[in-house]
Parts: sequence; structure tokens; C-alpha cells
Amino acid sequence: SAVISQKPSRDICQRGTSLTIQCQVDSQVTMMFWYRQQPGQSLTLIATANQGSEATYESGFVIDKFPISRPNLTFSTLTVSNMSPEDSSIYLCSVRDREVTEAFFGQGTRLTVV
Amino acid sequence: KNEVEQSPQNLTAQEGEFITINCSYSVGISALHWLQQHPGGGIVSLFMLSSGKKKHGRLIATINIQEKHSSLHITASHPRDSAVYICAVSLMYSGGGADGLTFGKGTHLIIQP
Repeated sequence: SAVISQKPSRDICQRGTSLTIQCQVDSQVTMMFWYRQQPGQSLTLIATANQGSEATYESGFVIDKFPISRPNLTFSTLTVSNMSPEDSSIYLCSVRDREVTEAFFGQGTRLTVV
Repeated sequence: KNEVEQSPQNLTAQEGEFITINCSYSVGISALHWLQQHPGGGIVSLFMLSSGKKKHGRLIATINIQEKHSSLHITASHPRDSAVYICAVSLMYSGGGADGLTFGKGTHLIIQP
């Protein structure tokens, strides 16, 4: 299994600012994903974080709004840029290994934009 | 597009009751996941299964591949089981592409003492 440390666990941010969320894994993993969960909704995949290259974004998400870094196989960051109240959500990172498809999740970051 | 439907959306039961949450999906999958989300937002993986049945403590998960249906059962339910239970499906990992998960909307379970 993989243990994921995600931080911050929650934050209240001003409109127009940016927040960077960190995801640290206790072992090297092949796949890292970032999800958004809007209030009352299911999880939506934002992007796949690729080690050493640009992230792969899902339809409706763009790099300028959600820049992602993944400098190595154990760490990734997601930045929510130029925030608006519509960005208020829970953001989660998730990891899976190439050979094992069980998914592990971070504790989530509850973001409120005011 | 693969759709994942869960039922019921909300469930309130008394402590000790037997709980069943259902999940149906529309296309072929390689694995189905049952996840538990607590109020803080963090998610714990309960089961990953591709056939048959798995049991862990008071939790039992079953899957019928032909019928594209899975159930999560909780025996002797307890207030600490109160959480959102999410069904998610994944495609077989193959070649150079990575795929995430398709999630159901979750079942909000409340167990009253």
C-alpha cells in the first residue's frame, strides 16, 4: 500500500489569489492523479501528473488554471490559479502503481474561495 | 462513455442493521473499487475487485461481471460507519496510456445509535 501526505488539509483564500497543494507519497508510484470534488458531486479527474513532463489534462481543465508539477516519482503539486468562488471544492491526489490497480488517496484539501 | 450509478443516494439506518449499497456500470471494466469518504474529505480504499466476493471485517463486497453490478454490504452497522461510500470503476491499464477512475456520486450513509 501507499501512504499519501497531502497538504494543506483546508484553506480559505481570497478571490484572485493562487493556492498550491502538495502531495507526497512514501514510495515510488507510476501514476499520480489530481481530482476535484465540487460540493455534492462525485470526483472529477483534473489531470494525470507525469514525471518529468507536462501533465495530461482532461477536457475542461487547462494548464494555465491548474498548473501541475511532478519532479520525481514520489511528489507532485497542483496549483489552483486566479481563484474564484467556483473553485471552492475538495481537491484530492491519488496514486496507483503500474502493476497494481488499487487506488490510494490523500486526505484531501478543502478549499473555500471568498 | 462509462457511467456509474449508485443507489440509494442517501440511507439512514439504526445501529445493528444490515446495510446494502448498490453500484451499476455500463461498459466492461477491469476492476471496481469501493471507497469510503469521511466528512474531512479524505478517501480510504475499502475494496478492489474484479470478480466474486471479498470480505474485510464487517464489510463484504460482491461483483457480477455479466450483470455489470456490484454491492457493498455492512453487517452489524455502527455509527462510526457513517460516511459517504463511493463506487468507482477502472479500465485495464494497457500500453502507453494511463487512465483514472470513473466515480459514482456516492451514497451518504448515516447510522443512528
